Amino acid sequence: EAEVAQSPRYKITEKSQAVAFWCDPISGHATLYWYRQILGQGPELLVQFQDESVVDDSQLPKDRFSAERLKGVDSTLKIQPAELGDSAMYLCASSLRTGSLETQYFGPGTRLLVL
Amino acid sequence: AQSVSQHNHHVILSEAASLELGCNYSYGGTVNLFWYVQYPGQHLQLLLKYFSGDPLVKGIKGFEAEFIKSKFSFNLRKPSVQWSDTAEYFCAVNAKEGGGYQKVTFGIGTKLQVIP
Repeated sequence: EAEVAQSPRYKITEKSQAVAFWCDPISGHATLYWYRQILGQGPELLVQFQDESVVDDSQLPKDRFSAERLKGVDSTLKIQPAELGDSAMYLCASSLRTGSLETQYFGPGTRLLVL
Repeated sequence: AQSVSQHNHHVILSEAASLELGCNYSYGGTVNLFWYVQYPGQHLQLLLKYFSGDPLVKGIKGFEAEFIKSKFSFNLRKPSVQWSDTAEYFCAVNAKEGGGYQKVTFGIGTKLQVIP
């Protein structure tokens, strides 16, 4: 069964450093999502792509976070500089297409700890 | 904007007890509704979903949920829980935004602890 791949699974960094996370969605899935899940809370959408275009980044802290999906397949989420409050699980999900309501499939996540 | 409320943040049950987790959403248009489960150390998995048709939907592992449109609710149920059901459960709503794309909003989650 196809799965969403994410790497790394764990990342420890010091504040003010740069970090990057990678996501490879299920093959053929046009829509890709990045979520942040703080301990004890539900996932919050950071950014949503349709192919290579951003359709929603209203919750992305753009002063330090950036995301790209250059060829409309895999995606990278970057934080620069990292802050203590960025410690969380970063989840990637994909769905077949937008324009209709689809089921999302989640990857295993990257757990980030900022010291 | 849509929102999701999960009323019980931490539930403790004995094995064989019945389970009902509440979920209410706010959105006036067409929605799809989901319950996801996250077992300890594992990633989010789809438990069940409602798109249309029969408002009583059955999912994996004996779970079911009922969509009551008039109450904006999608409560999760299981007649008899097992220790292996210990996990965190998230309700989610999927709706179309103004730009035509879908947006998923999650509830805060409910931690279920089943005592043998």
